[in-house]
Amino acid sequence: DGGITQSPKYLFRKEGQNVTLSCEQNLNHDAMYWYRQDPGQGLRLIYYSQIVNDFQKGDIAEGYSVSREKKESFPLTVTSAQKNPTAFYLCASRPGLAGGLNTGELFFGEGSRLTVL
Amino acid sequence: GEDVEQSLFLSVREGDSSVINCTYTDSSSTYLYWYKQEPGAGLQLLTYIFSNMDMKQDQRLTVLLNKKDKHLSLRIADTQTGDSAIYFCADHYKLSFGAGTTVTVRA
Repeated sequence: DGGITQSPKYLFRKEGQNVTLSCEQNLNHDAMYWYRQDPGQGLRLIYYSQIVNDFQKGDIAEGYSVSREKKESFPLTVTSAQKNPTAFYLCASRPGLAGGLNTGELFFGEGSRLTVL
Repeated sequence: GEDVEQSLFLSVREGDSSVINCTYTDSSSTYLYWYKQEPGAGLQLLTYIFSNMDMKQDQRLTVLLNKKDKHLSLRIADTQTGDSAIYFCADHYKLSFGAGTTVTVRA
């Protein structure tokens, strides 16, 4: 079945360590996104990529890094520079901007919960 | 202020209607969306409305769009316990989501 797979679902990290969250999609979507979710703050955009080998910063990119070497993969690294990394991280994809039969809907993975000890 | 704003909590009795409200700032979006999030899971598209429509009905769901006031609402008729979740409105031109409204359905 087509979809988006995030791993791991739960991750614990010590302060000062970098961690990488995986996001893989087999929907043949061009665009991929990373959001961070905190209680009462909704979803905030970290990074997004409209095409392979290209990505842009979102609203809260500081302390994070990404790569987009393959169409189906968009890993997110949470670096030690991120001051408050404990959160629920959501990856999403979509074919591209809305138009024609494409409603611009985002397809989400099940999320990864990162806890810094 | 935020691009998309919505109230944080709604408590409703089973069988009653739920109404979740949202205001947005950007009028460039072709579509506006409602997503549902179950506990500990990702978001799933619930419904959407094209920007040149005022209303869209889909079974128990009714979406109203007031472009003049930049106000979007989602009405769930005959609310069931399975409707307990967080509901997000979203504007996909700016990739902005509201903070989410936690709907609690009580028996």
